[in-house]
Amino acid sequence: SQQGEEDPQALSIQEGENATMNCSYKTSINNLQWYRQNSGRGLVHLILIRSNEREKHSGRLRVTLDTSKKSSSLLITASRAADTASYFCATEGYQKVTFGTGTKLQVIP
Amino acid sequence: DADVTQTPRNRITKTGKRIMLECSQTKGHDRMYWYRQDPGLGLRLIYYSFDVKDINKGEISDGYSVSRQAQAKFSLSLESAIPNQTALYFCATNPGLAGSNEQFFGPGTRLTVL
Repeated sequence: SQQGEEDPQALSIQEGENATMNCSYKTSINNLQWYRQNSGRGLVHLILIRSNEREKHSGRLRVTLDTSKKSSSLLITASRAADTASYFCATEGYQKVTFGTGTKLQVIP
Repeated sequence: DADVTQTPRNRITKTGKRIMLECSQTKGHDRMYWYRQDPGLGLRLIYYSFDVKDINKGEISDGYSVSRQAQAKFSLSLESAIPNQTALYFCATNPGLAGSNEQFFGPGTRLTVL
């Protein structure tokens, strides 16, 4: 079964707005990562947050992690049409990384 | 990322045929993975390998086999393809170093089994 579940499954916003995606997971983790996938292509790593961190920033990305609630959120600020993609959370436990089902983001110009 | 390549990029085959998907990497990473992606199901791990002599089953290994021919090469085989193996297949690598958890993905192979 999937470790991570993203919410919402799909999100459509106007360019310039912020986009927030959430990820919930089931078991203890070492870290949580977010990946981006453009249509039909390989995933690209965006950001990693460790289990002892609560918030992390990278450019227009802000990730939070709440281990007590087993949840994480990815915020993309000032979205651009080029941000249109699917976004996946991935949790790392023992030896391997498990991916969630993804949020499909559409940014309308 | 051209450092991880997959061949073929697209393949259409018939039920019962044997298929091999190949993955090569120039990143020098020890760890390699095979995933399949289906709409609405995200990525599911098929097999993974931490070095040439190490092969591990993932979440959905039934119907698949792998071979780690060298550090740089990891092949996935479907011995007798069936239609529900139609999916997008990704190879990924990871250096396996402490604190380095990012996975690097190949461009994917789109497999259709008729």
